Amino acid sequence: GAGVSQSPSNKVTEKGKDVELRCDPISGHTALYWYRQRLGQGLEFLIYFQGNSAPDKSGLPSDRFSAERTGESVSTLTIQRTQQEDSAVYLCASSLDAAGVYNSPLHFGNGTRLTVT
Amino acid sequence: GESVGLHLPTLSVQEGDNSIINCAYSNSASDYFIWYKQESGKGPQFIIDIRSNMDKRQGQRVTVLLNKTVKHLSLQIAATQPGDSAVYFCAENNAGNMLTFGGGTRLMVKP
Repeated sequence: GAGVSQSPSNKVTEKGKDVELRCDPISGHTALYWYRQRLGQGLEFLIYFQGNSAPDKSGLPSDRFSAERTGESVSTLTIQRTQQEDSAVYLCASSLDAAGVYNSPLHFGNGTRLTVT
Repeated sequence: GESVGLHLPTLSVQEGDNSIINCAYSNSASDYFIWYKQESGKGPQFIIDIRSNMDKRQGQRVTVLLNKTVKHLSLQIAATQPGDSAVYFCAENNAGNMLTFGGGTRLMVKP
């Protein structure tokens, strides 16, 4: 079946511009996560959506970052006034239930590689 | 804060040998651990998981060992193949709804 889909796969933008990244989770998955991965590093948690609950935004690095999710489907991550330090791969993942639940592993998309020039 | 870390950033092994990738964690409250494999240009892929009430779990060619006494997690890959070349991440659940990832270990398989 279809996995997590992210678009665009690559995005080059000028410093100061806004960007919008899209994630289509696996159908039926209630939980959706955004992570950031800088070159050669691990995954940094950004935000978590679970069903109709208020999202956990504790990982967002600044108020330039925001995300929305429509019900249990598509999510968009928006970065306003991009800075060079925002350059990274942004990964979206979904799971049937919360990621901490046994037998509910995260399924990742291939990410959006963002380059801010 | 507490986090998951790794001992070896790069591991090079000969094809056919066994590989062992190690991970140290510091949060004794973590109760669920996962290993992910990430190939170049792709998102992490689930390999195997283990709960804290277990010491060992086996999959196909992979085994995860958990030593809660020293807060250590390892991933063993039997008969390593070129297709196993990737970056491997361990992750822990210590906050209910999310996973904390370590920095990753790059596994290079020499033919």
